[in-house]
Amino acid sequence: KAGVTQTPRYLIKTRGQQVTLSCSPISGHRSVSWYQQTPGQGLQFLFEYFSETQRNKGNFPGRFSGRQFSNSRSEMNVSTLELGDSALYLCASSQVGAGGYEQYFGPGTRLTVT
Amino acid sequence: DQQVKQNSPSLSVQEGRISILNCDYTNSMFDYFLWYKKYPAEGPTFLISISSIKDKNEDGRFTVFLNKSAKHLSLHIVPSQPGDSAVYFCAASLYQGAQKLVFGQGTRLTINP
Repeated sequence: KAGVTQTPRYLIKTRGQQVTLSCSPISGHRSVSWYQQTPGQGLQFLFEYFSETQRNKGNFPGRFSGRQFSNSRSEMNVSTLELGDSALYLCASSQVGAGGYEQYFGPGTRLTVT
Repeated sequence: DQQVKQNSPSLSVQEGRISILNCDYTNSMFDYFLWYKKYPAEGPTFLISISSIKDKNEDGRFTVFLNKSAKHLSLHIVPSQPGDSAVYFCAASLYQGAQKLVFGQGTRLTINP
């Protein structure tokens, strides 16, 4: 099986712009979660989608949003980018409900805001 | 508010010796704990987990210990191998299967030949 894929792998944006990141989960996985990794902060949970519905949300401002499509692919969007949004954004997929809860992570998208 | 803390940013261990990585948590509602390993340019990969009803879980060279009263867990790697050099994250959740994981900041482990 192919692993979790994220596109693009690297992105440079300017303050005030918006950005959309994409995540394709492992085939058959219905849950997709997003995390932000910054130096010294570890991974911080953004949100989780399951069957096109947001099930869980972390403590991030409304500028961070996401969605999931019927094929389980997910996108996250950050509007009005700030310098502090520079980070590695990771998505993880999980079977959930089919006997498997383990999260499998993609390689991440490195976002740099200048 | 860091609910899961890894107080050692880095650790250096001789090949063949034991590596001990530590993690503390503050939220007593956490019921399930996991360790992930991350190589550069890759996503974290699941290593081992433990439920709060246990105090030890073993998988090959990896053992996780949980001390609920102290809100402390540790990962032991014996013997340490050069391929174990990576960043290790501990994570916690409210129950097994919860998709919202709370991660620590990570500890960079370096195994010296």
